[in-house]
Amino acid sequence: RKEVEQDPGPFNVPEGATVAFNCTYSNSASQSFFWYRQDCRKEPKLLMSVYSSGNEDGRFTAQLNRASQYISLLIRDSKLSDSATYLCAVYNFNKFYFGSGTKLNVKP
Amino acid sequence: EAGVTQSPTHLIKTRGQQATLRCSPISGHTSVYWYQQALGLGLQFLLWYDEGEERNRGNFPPRFSGRQFPNYSSELNVNALELEDSALYLCASSRAGGHGEQFFGPGTRLTVL
Repeated sequence: RKEVEQDPGPFNVPEGATVAFNCTYSNSASQSFFWYRQDCRKEPKLLMSVYSSGNEDGRFTAQLNRASQYISLLIRDSKLSDSATYLCAVYNFNKFYFGSGTKLNVKP
Repeated sequence: EAGVTQSPTHLIKTRGQQATLRCSPISGHTSVYWYQQALGLGLQFLLWYDEGEERNRGNFPPRFSGRQFPNYSSELNVNALELEDSALYLCASSRAGGHGEQFFGPGTRLTVL
């Protein structure tokens, strides 16, 4: 079983839509959680860390559910510029594990 | 603040050769991580260096090695290159401790012919 799993998508949504991605992790002792955004053939860029109490940054909201071992990312009022691949990352036992990413296409 | 830098941007080698990739972390960051991202695949953890020491390595053969210098820059060496080593190699840095936010460099695209 993979350490971190994501639905590869693609998620095709119209501008202005709300879209949510989940990411499940296998190790209950995982310590830190993050969401990254990766544009085609570019490096991942940190979107936000995920805190136990949940956190929000503008149109983006991240949640952590330790009981069910998943993290989520909610994007409200999608923009064309949000089109990218979203990677989740989990840290445990001195290693970072990245999901394979969920592709988002925002259409006009 | 300057970001993570990597060199070279592109590298073309033939099977059996050796490749050396370089990374300079963000100023103040002491941890450096290396990842391999093959086309269409996710990031695979290669190596983690912190304060000059190798702290952990992923499931890669010993021909993947590296080091971290006193100024915290790092080098990744890949010996006896194989065709399947063709990938984007990404370096990331973070503050000491290893479990914080990582910031990535633009990567080195290695092509093995």
